[in-house]
Amino acid sequence: AQSVSQHNHHVILSEAASLELGCNYSYGGTVNLFWYVQYPGQHLQLLLKYFSGDPLVKGIKGFEAEFIKSKFSFNLRKPSVQWSDTAEYFCAVKTGNTGKLIFGQGTTLQVKP
Amino acid sequence: NAGVTQTPKFRVLKTGQSMTLLCAQDMNHEYMYWYRQDPGMGLRLIHYSVGEGTTAKGEVPDGYNVSRLKKQNFLLGLESAAPSQTSVYFCASSSPGLAPNEQFFGPGTRLTVL
Repeated sequence: AQSVSQHNHHVILSEAASLELGCNYSYGGTVNLFWYVQYPGQHLQLLLKYFSGDPLVKGIKGFEAEFIKSKFSFNLRKPSVQWSDTAEYFCAVKTGNTGKLIFGQGTTLQVKP
Repeated sequence: NAGVTQTPKFRVLKTGQSMTLLCAQDMNHEYMYWYRQDPGMGLRLIHYSVGEGTTAKGEVPDGYNVSRLKKQNFLLGLESAAPSQTSVYFCASSSPGLAPNEQFFGPGTRLTVL
């Protein structure tokens, strides 16, 4: 069965530290990949997405992610986090043609001022 | 343009009661989805619809029913609520014509079943 795994469940960083959140998926075919963010008390918002072309994709608020097909990975990065980045982050994979997403378990990021 | 809206925002039910959650979108999207979010489990797909009048089961459909009588609305029903259905429910919509099928989410409904 297709699955998405996020290795870090809870990450605590100080402001200005660098961030990398891991995401691995299990699916051998063509995938579309997403990172969503959920700020406290809010709904999910799209951070960035990959569907073809350059494997390094840039999203909003200085986030980027790299698709490494050989490693089935799509890790999220940010060079310098801010307190306002405190949120829960979800990696998701779309397979097939019905638009269904498979989500990872989520990573809670806490940034200390 | 309100995007995806959900009604109600909060609800408390007693075991065995029934209720319907309403999702509405004004983006003319073909596809709509219902997810539940539980701590440490991410979002899990309950049911989805690829068009008016069509529905399909997702990953965790048991105990839920859905209907898509109008393109803009997707209803999620709980016929006999159980404590295991305490969760936050999110509706989403997307369009097959917009690569790569980005989903737009509603604000969520927090449901507690006592």
